[in-house]
Amino acid sequence: NAGVTQTPKFQVLKTGQSMTLQCAQDMNHNSMYWYRQDPGMGLRLIYYSASEGTTDKGEVPNGYNVSRLNKREFSLRLESAAPSQTSVYFCASSVVANTEAFFGQGTRLTVV
Amino acid sequence: KQEVTQIPAALSVPEGENLVLNCSFTDSAIYNLQWFRQDPGKGLTSLLLIQSSQREQTSGRLNASLDKSSGRSTLYIAASQPGDSATYLCAVVGGNQFYFGTGTSLTVIP
Repeated sequence: NAGVTQTPKFQVLKTGQSMTLQCAQDMNHNSMYWYRQDPGMGLRLIYYSASEGTTDKGEVPNGYNVSRLNKREFSLRLESAAPSQTSVYFCASSVVANTEAFFGQGTRLTVV
Repeated sequence: KQEVTQIPAALSVPEGENLVLNCSFTDSAIYNLQWFRQDPGKGLTSLLLIQSSQREQTSGRLNASLDKSSGRSTLYIAASQPGDSATYLCAVVGGNQFYFGTGTSLTVIP
């Protein structure tokens, strides 16, 4: 009963380093999302994928890239990490867009 | 752009009390509204989903209502317990994304 799985759970990066956050869901959902959560800001959408083969920018896409590798997996890449990208990142999925969403446990990223 | 507000930001109640959490949104053209619970350092757990055509949804001690015309939703928790202590988030669903409020942090005192 895994649901949405994110790896890693914690990561510390130095400014300028790159990394990829992984997300996989086993619910056969079509839509997947990446959000970041910051104190006082709520959750903000970075990118989403309404279906396999498509990706679209959300509210805060700058500094990020995504890949919808297949129906199960949706990865988020930071090419050159900046301290402003210190945040908690959540992946989510839903059957199709605009339906009930299920979230992973999050990745806590610190950029120093 | 959809704006979602949750008031109060924090709430503390004694165990056993019934309580209401509020969520308001600016654009009534929504698909659904979803309530989540978030425990410290954890992910979001879905509590209830109300479709735009529905007025309310119930699950156990939880009841969520939706009034699209006034841009409001409430989450009613009956007979609160210490285990209900968490942050409660509402998300308005539309345009292929979820718009979140900043949450209400609930503490239930034994």
